[in-house]
Amino acid sequence: ETGVTQTPRHLVMGMTNKKSLKCEQHLGHNAMYWYKQSAKKPLELMFVYNFKEQTENNSVPSRFSPECPNSSHLFLHLHTLQPEDSALYLCASSQDVSRASYTFGSGTRLTVV
Amino acid sequence: QQPVQSPQAVILREGEDAVINCSSSKALYSVHWYRQKHGEAPVFLMILLKGGEQKGHDKISASFNEKKQQSSLYLTASQLSYSGTYFCGTPNVPYSGGGADGLTFGKGTHLIIQP
Repeated sequence: ETGVTQTPRHLVMGMTNKKSLKCEQHLGHNAMYWYKQSAKKPLELMFVYNFKEQTENNSVPSRFSPECPNSSHLFLHLHTLQPEDSALYLCASSQDVSRASYTFGSGTRLTVV
Repeated sequence: QQPVQSPQAVILREGEDAVINCSSSKALYSVHWYRQKHGEAPVFLMILLKGGEQKGHDKISASFNEKKQQSSLYLTASQLSYSGTYFCGTPNVPYSGGGADGLTFGKGTHLIIQP
C-alpha cells in the first residue's frame, strides 16, 4: 500500500471506553502528526513525532495518548473522552524538514456518546 | 499563531477567477496550500518559499510576500473540480533548515463552483 492509511474509518465509543486509532505510512517519511478537525475549528495540531520522538504536544488533554513505535506507525489511544471530542482525526506524515509537504490520511470519524 | 484567511467563502461560476489570501502575524519562511474536498483528506497543492516566488499548478498559482507576511492563491478559469475548502498552513518552525514541527492552518476558505 502507498500513502497514509488510517483505521478505523468510523468509531463510536462511550465516554468510559478505551479505544485506539491507528495510522500507517509507507512513504519513507520520518515525521508524523495527529490533527483534530471539527466543525467549529480548523485543523488543530495535536501531536508531532520526529524519528519516533515526540517533539510537540499542543496542550492536548491527557485523555489523548499518542504512541509512535516506529517511523511508519502512529497510534492515538483514547480513554474517558467527552462528547466534545467528537471530530475527524487526521494523521499526516512528511519528511523531517519544515518545507516538506504533508500527506494526509482519510481520517477517523469519531463519535463519543 | 494561526494564519488568517480571507474570504471565508466564495461562490463562482465555472470559468471565473478567484483569489484567496492568507496572512500571518509572525515572520514566515514558507507557506503551504492544501485543498480538502468534502469527506476527503486534505491534499497538498504547493509550497511557497521565502523569496517572493510564484508557483503554479495547472491553472492554480500562488505568490508569497515575506515582507508583508502574506500569501495569495489564484484560481484562474475555475473548473467544477476546484470546489472544496482551501487551507493555508505555516510551519511552527519559522526558519529554513528547521526540522518538521507541525503546520498551523488557517480556518479555511470554502470555494463553490457552479456550472
